[in-house]
Amino acid sequence: ILNVEQSPQSLHVQEGDSTNFTCSFPSSNFYALHWYRWETAKSPEALFVMTLNGDEKKKGRISATLNTKEGYSYLYIKGSQPEDSATYLCALLAPSGSRLTFGEGTQLTVNP
Amino acid sequence: GAGVSQSPRYKVAKRGQDVALRCDPISGHVSLFWYQQALGQGPEFLTYFQNEAQLDKSGLPSDRFFAERPEGSVSTLKIQRTQQEDSAVYLCASSFSSGANVLTFGAGSRLTVL
Repeated sequence: ILNVEQSPQSLHVQEGDSTNFTCSFPSSNFYALHWYRWETAKSPEALFVMTLNGDEKKKGRISATLNTKEGYSYLYIKGSQPEDSATYLCALLAPSGSRLTFGEGTQLTVNP
Repeated sequence: GAGVSQSPRYKVAKRGQDVALRCDPISGHVSLFWYQQALGQGPEFLTYFQNEAQLDKSGLPSDRFFAERPEGSVSTLKIQRTQQEDSAVYLCASSFSSGANVLTFGAGSRLTVL
């Protein structure tokens, strides 16, 4: 059983603050790491798929880094806006399988 | 269609009832996944189809759960004799190629068993 952990579980920030959260995974069982954003009453939306150690990806104010040797990925949001409020999920794809194993998510609330 | 469509969005069932949840993936998407998300948890894998073939059903929690995709497009997840612990959001996702590349999710079907 793969163990994907996300921290913190929840986070409240003020509009304009920058924030970051962590996804950790077993480095010995890595093929790819996915990040998804899930807003209430909507579908989870893909943010990034990362495969290479040292990868950095950016989409607007959101960016992510990947360290496969130590088994973690950081997601950063610069200048948070209320519309960034959502649950951010990371998911690991192991070399042996076709399924994604998800963490429990970080629930972000951005207060105006 | 433009996205993955799931129905019903909300379902309330009495304990012991059978339910069927439908997923319409993006046209042409080969892979289809079902996930179960209980309150406060991350999505848990249930089963995976490549076209009409169910390649992995190891996540189905009991023999009360059954999934099919007979023509390689629409999929149905059936839960027989529902129990309270089956209450969850059931997410369907599809992707263009085999394996878990970027997934496009539906909005989920929220099942509440009373």
